Amino acid sequence: GAGVSQSPSNKVTEKGKDVELRCDPISGHTALYWYRQSLGQGLEFLIYFQGNSAPDKSGLPSDRFSAERTGGSVSTLTIQRTQQEDSAVYLCASSAGTAPGTEAFFGQGTRLTVV
Amino acid sequence: DAKTTQPTSMDCAEGRAANLPCNHSTISGNEYVYWYRQIHSQGPQYIIHGLKNNETNEMASLIITEDRKSSTLILPHATLRDTAVYYCIVRAINDYKLSFGAGTTVTVRA
Repeated sequence: GAGVSQSPSNKVTEKGKDVELRCDPISGHTALYWYRQSLGQGLEFLIYFQGNSAPDKSGLPSDRFSAERTGGSVSTLTIQRTQQEDSAVYLCASSAGTAPGTEAFFGQGTRLTVV
Repeated sequence: DAKTTQPTSMDCAEGRAANLPCNHSTISGNEYVYWYRQIHSQGPQYIIHGLKNNETNEMASLIITEDRKSSTLILPHATLRDTAVYYCIVRAINDYKLSFGAGTTVTVRA
């Protein structure tokens, strides 16, 4: 079936503008993650959604970052007043749960460039 | 506070087995060892996971030492398409986060 889909695949925006990144998880997956990967760096956890529970926002780097997940499916990551240091690949992943054996499936990511 | 230590890089000959080491000397009894890989310009891909027994699937084998302080991921017959960054991750049974370190950059050469 279809994997995790992210859009857009690439986004160039001017400093100070707001951007929205979209993630369509695998159907039926209750867990959804956002990660960020700066050039040449490892993956940095941003936020986690699980069902109807309150999301874990502990990885969001500033209050300019927010995310929501509507209807337990599609998620949107919003970055307000973008800065050049926000340039990175933003990766979304989903899983059927978090028990061992329920692997996380990642999308191809959105490459964000702030100019 | 990295829980795992991996070599920065390694080369492997095409068709040969690739053995990727990982040290996790502070692993707790409720923590699993996971391996993911990330091919250039793609999202990470799950490979395998284990607790204490050796595991094998269609992609790889995972050998965990008896004291669980280290493990080895084995790609039995490396191909050029296995060139990627390989991440060894320790995750507790009740934890949902995957904490990615720097990983090992594996280059398979013809």
